[in-house]
Amino acid sequence: DAGVIQSPRHEVTEMGQEVTLRCKPISGHDYLFWYRQTMMRGLELLIYFNNNVPIDDSGMPEDRFSAKMPNASFSTLKIQPSEPRDSAVYFCASSLGSTSIPTDTQYFGPGTRLTVL
Amino acid sequence: ILNVEQSPQSLHVQEGDSTNFTCSFPSSNFYALHWYRWETAKSPEALFVMTLNGDEKKKGRISATLNTKEGYSYLYIKGSQPEDSATYLCALSTGNQFYFGTGTSLTVIP
Repeated sequence: DAGVIQSPRHEVTEMGQEVTLRCKPISGHDYLFWYRQTMMRGLELLIYFNNNVPIDDSGMPEDRFSAKMPNASFSTLKIQPSEPRDSAVYFCASSLGSTSIPTDTQYFGPGTRLTVL
Repeated sequence: ILNVEQSPQSLHVQEGDSTNFTCSFPSSNFYALHWYRWETAKSPEALFVMTLNGDEKKKGRISATLNTKEGYSYLYIKGSQPEDSATYLCALSTGNQFYFGTGTSLTVIP
């Protein structure tokens, strides 16, 4: 398997623009996670899905952020409108779902480095 | 929000030295403790997942222990090598949330 795939790897956009980040989890994994990494706050969980259903989105910072998982092999994280403070590295991760609680090892994608000017 | 603390924040050791660092967490609402290795410009790589009090896991020269009653986990590296240089992150799973520590940055000097 190719591992978790994220695109784009780098994104530079201007304030106010819509940004869409994409993730393809490892095939067969039931859980998908979106994280944001910043210097100030470290690695933060934004939202996660189980079997394509959003389970916990309490980490999503604002209504400008939304995430979807239309099928088992694809998820998007959208920021609309983007702001300079959204600049960060966004990671997607996936894990198996042996229980109803996501305790299994998470496999991270390479991340998307977002810069909002 | 739960506080997961890691210490020390950074560490420099000589090649061949053994070292260890700590992850502390609230002992309530515990489901699992994860350790990750994170090299600069790469993504976090899973090392261990531990769920039971007294768990010990080992992977080559790296091992970890878990004490859920007192809320800590130790990561040990025996005979550090330059390729061990990375940030080591722990993460607490409470069942429906993950809380990451800020990491211990290890530099192994040849």
